[in-house]
Parts: sequence; structure tokens; C-alpha cells
Amino acid sequence: AQSVTQPDIHITVSEGASLELRCNYSYGATPYLFWYVQSPGQGLQLLLKYFSGDTLVQGIKGFEAEFKRSQSSFNLRKPSVHWSDAAEYFCAVGPRSNDYKLSFGAGTTVTVRA
Amino acid sequence: DSGVTQTPKHLITATGQRVTLRCSPRSGDLSVYWYQQSLDQGLQFLIQYYNGEERAKGNILERFSAQQFPDLHSELNLSSLELGDSALYFCASSPLAGTEQFFGPGTRLTVL
Repeated sequence: AQSVTQPDIHITVSEGASLELRCNYSYGATPYLFWYVQSPGQGLQLLLKYFSGDTLVQGIKGFEAEFKRSQSSFNLRKPSVHWSDAAEYFCAVGPRSNDYKLSFGAGTTVTVRA
Repeated sequence: DSGVTQTPKHLITATGQRVTLRCSPRSGDLSVYWYQQSLDQGLQFLIQYYNGEERAKGNILERFSAQQFPDLHSELNLSSLELGDSALYFCASSPLAGTEQFFGPGTRLTVL
């Protein structure tokens, strides 16, 4: 059965510091991979996605993620966080098929301190 | 703004009642998905429609049903509501199955 693990429930980072959020997945084949961000009281916004090709993908708001097939990981990074990056981040995977349901990790809450 | 709209934004109702949540996908998107976000279960896929037809089902309760209309908007019907149905319900859309999904702002359902 497919599963998505985000090992860190909560991360606190100083403004201007780098951020890395971990995501590991268990899947029968290489899935499509996504990172979404949810600000308090808001919906989910797509940060970036990986379908194929270059394993380092760039997203919005200065985020990037690296797909590592050997480690079944898709970690999200940002070199320098801003206070507005405080939010909950979700890793998601979806099958390469028409039954396209996303499976989400439990989420990582990021707090940014001044 | 993702282009996906959901109404209402908030809904408060009592146990045993029935409610309908509405979703309008982005212009041109044929696929609509419904998800439930709760504190204990996280984000769970409920059901997918593609151009009016049910395409995939997740752990959707029998008390819940959905449909997609010819104009592509979708409705999620929740009946015989229980306290545990209190959650944030998201709708998402995508142009084709197998591409990224764009989420609406959600409907927060509170069952008292």
C-alpha cells in the first residue's frame, strides 16, 4: 500500500536560515510527487511537482525539491526563509494512472522566529 | 487564487442532518476531486469525478455521495451527520487525470 511519511511534525527556523523538510514515500512504482503549502485558514497551494526528468525541481516562492529514487525521498528546501513561510507543508504522491488520487503525508508545521 | 471555488465557506449543523457542499472547478478542468482534512485522519481522498463520471473512490463513507454535473461543477452530499464528520472539505480540479491538482479554499463543516 502506498504511504507518505513526513518525519518532522514541527520545525522551528530563524528568519534567513535555510529550511529542509523531509518526505519519504512507499509506492509500487515511481509516482508523481508534489509539495503543497497551507497557510492558516487557507487552502492548499501547489509549491512544486515532479513528474519526470531533472530530479531537482524548482517551485514558487524560492522553494526547490530533490527527488532521490534510491532513497524514495522528495525533500523540500529553501535557502533563506522569510517570516511569511510560516505554514504547514504537505508532501503528496499520486499514481501515474487515471485513478489519480493524491496520498498526503501528515504535514510539517514550520514556525519562523525573528 | 487557484480558480477553484467552494461554497459555503463555513457550515454549522446538527447531528443527523444532511448538507451539500458545492465546488466549481477551474475553467476547462474536467476532473474534480474531494478530500477531507481532519485532525485525526489528516488529508484523505474521498472521490474523483472526470467529465461527469465517477473515476476513483477513496475511503468515502456510504453516508456521503457526490456527483458532477454537465457544467462540471460538483456537489458533495453528507447525510446522517455525526460529530466525527466535522472537518475541512476540499475540492480540487485538474485538466486531465494524472496532472497537478488545484485546490479550493475549502468548506469547514462543524457538526454539533
